[in-house]
Parts: sequence; structure tokens; C-alpha cells
Amino acid sequence: NAGVTQTPKFQVLKTGQSMTLQCAQDMNHNSMYWYRQDPGMGLRLIYYSASEGTTDKGEVPNGYNVSRLNKREFSLRLESAAPSQTSVYFCASSEAPAFRTGHNSPLHFGNGTRLTVT
Amino acid sequence: GIQVEQSPPDLILQEGANSTLRCNFSDSVNNLQWFHQNPWGQLINLFYIPSGTKQNGRLSATTVATERYSLLYISSSQTTDSGVYFCAVPRAGSARQLTFGSGTQLTVLP
Repeated sequence: NAGVTQTPKFQVLKTGQSMTLQCAQDMNHNSMYWYRQDPGMGLRLIYYSASEGTTDKGEVPNGYNVSRLNKREFSLRLESAAPSQTSVYFCASSEAPAFRTGHNSPLHFGNGTRLTVT
Repeated sequence: GIQVEQSPPDLILQEGANSTLRCNFSDSVNNLQWFHQNPWGQLINLFYIPSGTKQNGRLSATTVATERYSLLYISSSQTTDSGVYFCAVPRAGSARQLTFGSGTQLTVLP
């Protein structure tokens, strides 16, 4: 099993350019997530999709849009890239939590996309 | 929101030594996860541990939810254990959103 696959691995953009980061998982997970990792700031949630057909904002959603294309795929789009969006982006997935107990489940990450905006 | 603090921030060990990493959290949680980020940047889930103790080879984790802390034990450390160890807990009111600690940077010397 490949697990969580992200593309591309590296990307350089100029300010104002747009791009889409792709993510796919083959574990039949219901929930998918996009995080960014910055030095000194740790991992912060951008957007997540609890299940196919739903998306919700995380901690730092401004400047991003997402699409849950189907159960396997969850993409992140930067419409007009800014230098502040220079970061390492991680996609992740997990089984849906049990609604009654509120427990979530183990999170599995892709290998990341290193994005530089000049 | 919930605060997650990890200690120590940095740790240097000789190969073969044992270590304990700590994760304190400011509010009650119903689960906690430990991750290892290797020097190549890959994030690996080590443990999903709501409470009690779990073991996986040389690694084990204990969560004492009532006292709001978790410990990660690494025994007989190897150079491949180097990297950053993160703990993460659910944000209040949203089980799907995790709050991560700032990590412990572990360096194991040969």
C-alpha cells in the first residue's frame, strides 16, 4: 500500500501565481487533512474534510481553498501565492471518528510538499 | 484553546542509551498521538494512545489522562531514532482537529 501520496514534492512559485497540491490515500479513510509546517510554529491545520462531500476550515485557512474530489483525493489550491505561504505542506488521512465518543483515530501523513514563494 | 508542551526541547544521546520524552496538556483529552519526524521530513505515527501504556519494539508510551501528561520511552536508542518527536491532542470541541506540541529534537550519536 502506498498510504498517503502527495504531489509535487517540491515547487517554486512567484508571488501571484496559482497552483494545486494533490493528495490521494489508498487506506479507505473517510477523513483527510491539509497541514502546514513552519519553523517555530509547528504543524497547523489548514482545512480538513471529515467525509466525502464535506470540508471545513482549520486553524489557518486564509489564502487556501480545498476540494474533496472523491473519497481518495483531497486537493489544496493556492489562488494567488504569497511569500507567507512558503512552507512545507502535509496531507494526512484518518478513519472517521466515532461520533458518539468523539474519539478521533490515528493520523497518517504523506511525505510533504516543500513550497517556496518568491 | 488547549496548550501542549513538550520537554525537553532538545536531547542528545549516545547510541544504546534510554530516554524519556514528556508531553503535558492543559485540558482533559480522550486521546493522544505520538509522531516521529525523521531527518528527511517524513512524519510517522508511533502511537495512538487514549490512556494506559502501549509498546512497539523499543518504544513505549504511557498516557495518564487524569494528570494530563504522556510519556514516550525510547530504550537502547539507535541513530535511526534521531529526528523530532511530536505529541498531538484533539482541540476542544473538535475531535478531528489536532493541536501539536512544538516537539523534542532527538539526536542519537554513534
